[in-house]
Amino acid sequence: KAGVTQTPRYLIKTRGQQVTLSCSPISGHRSVSWYQQTPGQGLQFLFEYFSETQRNKGNFPGRFSGRQFSNSRSEMNVSTLELGDSALYLCASSLDRGLSYEQYFGPGTRLTVT
Amino acid sequence: GQNIDQPTEMTATEGAIVQINCTYQTSGFNGLFWYQQHAGEAPTFLSYNVLDGLEEKGRFSSFLSRSKGYSYLLLKELQMKDSASYLCAVRDEVTGGGNKLTFGTGTQLKVEL
Repeated sequence: KAGVTQTPRYLIKTRGQQVTLSCSPISGHRSVSWYQQTPGQGLQFLFEYFSETQRNKGNFPGRFSGRQFSNSRSEMNVSTLELGDSALYLCASSLDRGLSYEQYFGPGTRLTVT
Repeated sequence: GQNIDQPTEMTATEGAIVQINCTYQTSGFNGLFWYQQHAGEAPTFLSYNVLDGLEEKGRFSSFLSRSKGYSYLLLKELQMKDSASYLCAVRDEVTGGGNKLTFGTGTQLKVEL
């Protein structure tokens, strides 16, 4: 079974631009979560999508948004990029059925804002 | 909100046993995860505890005490490949269920010869 895939793997953007990142979960997984990882703050939860609906949200500004499609693939968008948005963006999928809550992470998208 | 504490760094010898502690203070608790992350790679799932006690999986064991807000990850027969960051994460208790994890900043484990 294929793992979680994320595209693109690396991205360089300029301040003020916007960016869209994509995540394809493991087949059959309905929950997709997004995280930002930086050396200073560690892994921070952005939001979670389940059945095309945002089910949980972290403490990030409204510039960060996401969506999920009917095939469970998810995208996240960051508008008006700031230098501090440079980070590794990870998505994780979960079966979310019964007691199976473990999340499987993709390789991440490394975003650099200049 | 959640506050999670774990040591920043630990060093151990190949073949030895190491215990990585994690303490948490939460407004809601619905389970605790341990993840391993090698440099430049994505985190990989190690264990999930929701009830008190010890869960054993091969060389790795994880313990949880909900009343004390405390967990540990025990690694036995250490190998060089175990050098990595170990992340403790609490699954929040949220209305409607779902996965909202709060991660600690990670413990960087270095295994030496």
